[in-house]
Amino acid sequence: DAKTTQPTSMDCAEGRAANLPCNHSTISGNEYVYWYRQIHSQGPQYIIHGLKNNETNEMASLIITEDRKSSTLILPHATLRDTAVYYCIVKADNNNDMRFGAGTRLTVKP
Amino acid sequence: KAGVTQTPRYLIKTRGQQVTLSCSPISGHRSVSWYQQTPGQGLQFLFEYFSETQRNKGNFPGRFSGRQFSNSRSEMNVSTLELGDSALYLCASSLYRGMETQYFGPGTRLLVL
Repeated sequence: DAKTTQPTSMDCAEGRAANLPCNHSTISGNEYVYWYRQIHSQGPQYIIHGLKNNETNEMASLIITEDRKSSTLILPHATLRDTAVYYCIVKADNNNDMRFGAGTRLTVKP
Repeated sequence: KAGVTQTPRYLIKTRGQQVTLSCSPISGHRSVSWYQQTPGQGLQFLFEYFSETQRNKGNFPGRFSGRQFSNSRSEMNVSTLELGDSALYLCASSLYRGMETQYFGPGTRLLVL
């Protein structure tokens, strides 16, 4: 079973920041937070991951709360091509078993 | 560097048949994981292979099996196909296990009639 809770859907205006929340209140000390997205039944695309510090890469930023019970993925300037289902996953550092939830369907509108 | 490749991309089978799907990981990657995606159940972990050994298995019946070769390429097999096996089968590879990021292929879409 997925260990994360995400809103079912969100809208965002093109050019604005998209902030996608995720709750993972039962996260363990050796579990990382990963974000992937899936565009129209293509293979999921890796976005970013983190353990406890905030992370940033060319695609997004990941903000993890100090107690690690929740996180937010930030797409700083959303474009229409960012419309996708975004999955937040917690995964232990000793295996590759990723339990996907239902994800958040983000729709970027012009 | 080429990404994860999966063959075939589309497949149609009938109930009772068996099917073999293939996955070639990113060059240098040694871990391969398989996932099934259906509209009803979403993305579900099937199994993971590393160094030609199954390391982890999801909650699927024994009709679902896999293997990994010495060059890290992997195959999964589904025997005695059922209508409910119609799905997108995704393969993901990573350098090693655990902390390494997994990269997904485009998937094989299987339709069972």
